[in-house]
Amino acid sequence: KAGVTQTPRYLIKTRGQQVTLSCSPISGHRSVSWYQQTPGQGLQFLFEYFSETQRNKGNFPGRFSGRQFSNSRSEMNVSTLELGDSALYLCASSGAPGQALANYGYTFGSGTRLTVV
Amino acid sequence: DAKTTQPNSMESNEEEPVHLPCNHSTISGTDYIHWYRQLPSQGPEYVIHGLTSNVNNRMASLAIAEDRKSSTLILHRATLRDAAVYYCILRGAGGTSYGKLTFGQGTILTVHP
Repeated sequence: KAGVTQTPRYLIKTRGQQVTLSCSPISGHRSVSWYQQTPGQGLQFLFEYFSETQRNKGNFPGRFSGRQFSNSRSEMNVSTLELGDSALYLCASSGAPGQALANYGYTFGSGTRLTVV
Repeated sequence: DAKTTQPNSMESNEEEPVHLPCNHSTISGTDYIHWYRQLPSQGPEYVIHGLTSNVNNRMASLAIAEDRKSSTLILHRATLRDAAVYYCILRGAGGTSYGKLTFGQGTILTVHP
């Protein structure tokens, strides 16, 4: 079956612009979460959506936002881009039912490499 | 989130077994132990997880200490494709865990031909 698909794979933006990244989860998965990976900070959790509702959020400024559609596809948006937002953005999906969490694994996409200049 | 401690790096030879340790002395009774790995230029890949009993799958085995304060990921025959960063992660129940995997620095595994 198809894996987690993230688009685009690469993106170059200018400081101050905004960007929207897309993630299509594995068919049937309703939980989608987003991560930022940088050399200095490693992998950091951004937020998680389940059935179009944000259930959890990491410690990122309000410039980072997301949403999930009824078909479970998700987008994340970063407004007023800063140089420090340059990173690999990863999306992960899980088939865990609503309440069961710890006993399920996550499938990650290959990420979107964002460069802010 | 409960913390895990892993060695920064390990080396192995191809075709040999690899034992990757993880300490998690503050693990709670409901925390699952998960392992992920990340190959260069790819997103993390789920490897295995367990709660109390040892677990096996097609990729690896997970050995969990009786007191659950440590665990070991076992790759039975390392290949060059196993060279990656391996992350040991604790997953708890509750709303603060929704979607959240807390990645540490992981162990960089180098496999020599």
